[in-house]
Amino acid sequence: NAGVTQTPKFQVLKTGQSMTLQCAQDMNHEYMSWYRQDPGMGLRLIHYSVGAGITDQGEVPNGYNVSRSTTEDFPLRLLSAAPSQTSVYFCASRMGQGFTGELFFGEGSRLTVL
Amino acid sequence: AQKITQTQPGMFVQEKEAVTLDCTYDTSDQSYGLFWYKQPSSGEMIFLIYQGSYDEQNATEGRYSLNFQKARKSANLVISASQLGDSAMYFCAMRERGGQNFVFGPGTRLSVLP
Repeated sequence: NAGVTQTPKFQVLKTGQSMTLQCAQDMNHEYMSWYRQDPGMGLRLIHYSVGAGITDQGEVPNGYNVSRSTTEDFPLRLLSAAPSQTSVYFCASRMGQGFTGELFFGEGSRLTVL
Repeated sequence: AQKITQTQPGMFVQEKEAVTLDCTYDTSDQSYGLFWYKQPSSGEMIFLIYQGSYDEQNATEGRYSLNFQKARKSANLVISASQLGDSAMYFCAMRERGGQNFVFGPGTRLSVLP
């Protein structure tokens, strides 16, 4: 099984450019989420989804957009990149029921905004 | 408000010795799960161990064990017989039964010395 697949792994953008980070999972997980990781701050939740057609904001949603048209895919869009969005981004998913299931992570995407 | 505290930004341990990584959490929910993840220098997030709030025994997974003290709201990770490959960032995380999302601590960087 591929698990959670993120693309691209590395990306360099100029300020003001837009891009989409792709995330796909093949585990039929209802819940999917996007985190950003910055030094000393752990992982902070950007957006999450509990099923197709349902999305919600996390702790740091500004400047990001998401959609969930299928169970498998959960893309993250940067509308107008800013240097403050330089970070490592992780997509993660889990089973929808209960609170015991762990998060399964993608390999991460390192984004640099110049 | 930050719900997960990891007070040790960095730790050193001698190879083959045991080490404890601290994690304290804050929640008013009676039902919750506590998770530890390892992030080696390659960047992926690896799930290590889970402890449920109602579990009577401390969780163990191979060389990893969780020292769970519910009254003190602490969930410390104990790694026995440290190996060089244990050098990594370690994140403590929590998910409340009443919530959809995980909250992560800032992490502890463990360095194992030969």
